[in-house]
Amino acid sequence: AQSVTQLDSQVPVFEEAPVELRCNYSSSVSVYLFWYVQYPNQGLQLLLKYLSGSTLVKGINGFEAEFNKSQTSFHLRKPSVHISDTAEYFCAVSGVSGNTGKLIFGQGTTLQVKP
Amino acid sequence: DTEVTQTPKHLVMGMTNKKSLKCEQHMGHRAMYWYKQKAKKPPELMFVYSYEKLSINESVPSRFSPECPNSSLLNLHLHALQPEDSALYLCASSQGTSASQETQYFGPGTRLLVL
Repeated sequence: AQSVTQLDSQVPVFEEAPVELRCNYSSSVSVYLFWYVQYPNQGLQLLLKYLSGSTLVKGINGFEAEFNKSQTSFHLRKPSVHISDTAEYFCAVSGVSGNTGKLIFGQGTTLQVKP
Repeated sequence: DTEVTQTPKHLVMGMTNKKSLKCEQHMGHRAMYWYKQKAKKPPELMFVYSYEKLSINESVPSRFSPECPNSSLLNLHLHALQPEDSALYLCASSQGTSASQETQYFGPGTRLLVL
């Protein structure tokens, strides 16, 4: 079984500042990792994913994340945020083996970008 | 094209009504999902269809009845709902449910209000 912990429920940041949204996971098997973004009153949009290979993953809208197996983390970063990045961000994990299609989500982090 | 469409966008229904939510994808994906999302919470998995067969039912009450008429369409039939069923209902699809076919793409959701 897998679980996901997003360490911050809210992250306020000023426009053009860097940001890091933290995600830790727990799993007894190898995992795939995802970050999704949800803008107000919308569905979830895939930001980036780690399936295998390079541990630094680049996604859309200037976001990137680094998979750290030893620390079981998959933190999301952006060097300079915009007002339009204000949204809810969800980290998610699925097990590589014996997979049934189930995604396990973290509780979400609200990114509030201030002018 | 990674688009999943959902209709209607909004739905208001009484507790004695019967209504249906519709989801469609034309990406050739063979797995489709229904999620329920309450405000400020992550999506909760309800059902998974794999190759048009129901593979996961997360102990969802029988007042929710899924249907997969073909590989592109997924319906959720609603009957005798309760006010606590008010939520955003999200549909997602992926290539499959095995290890390397993981990535789920979400639709914009149907916002349901039960009076």
